[in-house]
Amino acid sequence: DQQVKQNSPSLSVQEGRISILNCDYTNSMFDYFLWYKKYPAEGPTFLISISSIKDKNEDGRFTVFLNKSAKHLSLHIVPSQPGDSAVYFCAASAIGRGGGSNYKLTFGKGTLLTVNP
Amino acid sequence: NAGVMQNPRHLVRRRGQEARLRCSPMKGHSHVYWYRQLPEEGLKFMVYLQKENIIDESGMPKERFSAEFPKEGPSILRIQQVVRGDSAAYFCASSPRVGTANYGYTFGSGTRLTVV
Repeated sequence: DQQVKQNSPSLSVQEGRISILNCDYTNSMFDYFLWYKKYPAEGPTFLISISSIKDKNEDGRFTVFLNKSAKHLSLHIVPSQPGDSAVYFCAASAIGRGGGSNYKLTFGKGTLLTVNP
Repeated sequence: NAGVMQNPRHLVRRRGQEARLRCSPMKGHSHVYWYRQLPEEGLKFMVYLQKENIIDESGMPKERFSAEFPKEGPSILRIQQVVRGDSAAYFCASSPRVGTANYGYTFGSGTRLTVV
């Protein structure tokens, strides 16, 4: 039961262009969404997050958009650079039962982004 | 200021042996989370521990897997009688307090377990 889905296993873009990575989710209880970047043989690195009460969050070249009605979010990277080549994971967290603190992340399978010089 | 340290980076075990994976959290962090990444999959939550307590082990397989986070020393993920299906990358993350998933955990570099 995949609650977080990244349907594109890979994406290839030219340096300087926009990269758009997509993510869909099914669990309406998710209230925070995060993107992680992962290089081979390293752990995931936190990139950017967005609360479910927002529809956009921007940090430098990275912008995350959230469409709650469609249960869809996307990560835009502009302009793309060769160093952005990595696997990008979409993740989500939900308020615990009884409104308690959340601590558990649910990850998608990842999208391999390749930025060509 | 070291990050989350995991060792060993690579571990090869024969079927039936035991595997011990270690995780030293960031300084000042008393909450540890273990995740497993099977080939071609995303990371999956296994267990959440505080010092000397298991808070949530809902993602742990019922048999052969155990975890601890003693008062002194690193957190240990122990897999007894390993099978080929245990081959995966195991990642550890830490946080200074609970409820910080939203701010992005810091993960270690992982231990890649290969069962032959």
